[in-house]
Amino acid sequence: SYVLTQPPSVSVAPGQTARISCGGDKIGSKSVHWYRQKPGQAPVLVVYDDSDRPSGIPARFSGSNSGNTATLTISRVEAGDEADYYCQVWDTSSDLLYVFGTGTTVTVL
Amino acid sequence: QVTLKESGPVLVKPTETLTLTCTVSGLSLSNAKMGVSWIRQPPGKALEWLAHIFPNDEKSYSTSLKSRLTISMDTSKSQVVLTMTNLDPVDTAAYFCARIPYDDGRGYHTHFDSWGQGTLVTVSS
Repeated sequence: SYVLTQPPSVSVAPGQTARISCGGDKIGSKSVHWYRQKPGQAPVLVVYDDSDRPSGIPARFSGSNSGNTATLTISRVEAGDEADYYCQVWDTSSDLLYVFGTGTTVTVL
Repeated sequence: QVTLKESGPVLVKPTETLTLTCTVSGLSLSNAKMGVSWIRQPPGKALEWLAHIFPNDEKSYSTSLKSRLTISMDTSKSQVVLTMTNLDPVDTAAYFCARIPYDDGRGYHTHFDSWGQGTLVTVSS
């Protein structure tokens, strides 16, 4: 089955840039989506189709995808960005049509 | 604006069957083009997709859980129901329903743009 690997944690100072990677075999050929999940809450879509943002998500959130790695970039990080972040793809060859990454905890120092 | 809300038991005994209901409001499933998925998350762990259903009754399941899952849609009630049989303590998790959006240009998307708040189900004797 298809596996998406994320770093367990990323730490960043306020105002700096956080980059969260999502590794998968030829992930650049798939559409990658990103979710933010704060403790005790449901996930919220922050980027879809590699780099599009839903309405209400600030432009500080951006995405890219190429080769075997997709990246979520959070610019000018704020304390409120502290959360778990998950990438997700759709993979018809997998036993899970919708595959989620292992998750990354972003800590704002 | 569409909202989804999960409901179901908080505590289930091992070997029992779990029935969860996702109630969709803000639009009617009978005339809306949207899919609904169930996704779960064990405490402290990652998200895991379980099943989806579309208005044409197309359904798909996680291969590893397929024998235990049934998903159905009641458009008259705007509800999607998931049943899971033979529960085990490892099935303890928060269970979410989420919307798969549609647009006329490309059909159904492959992401989830709206989620319910989730319901925590504990499997224990």
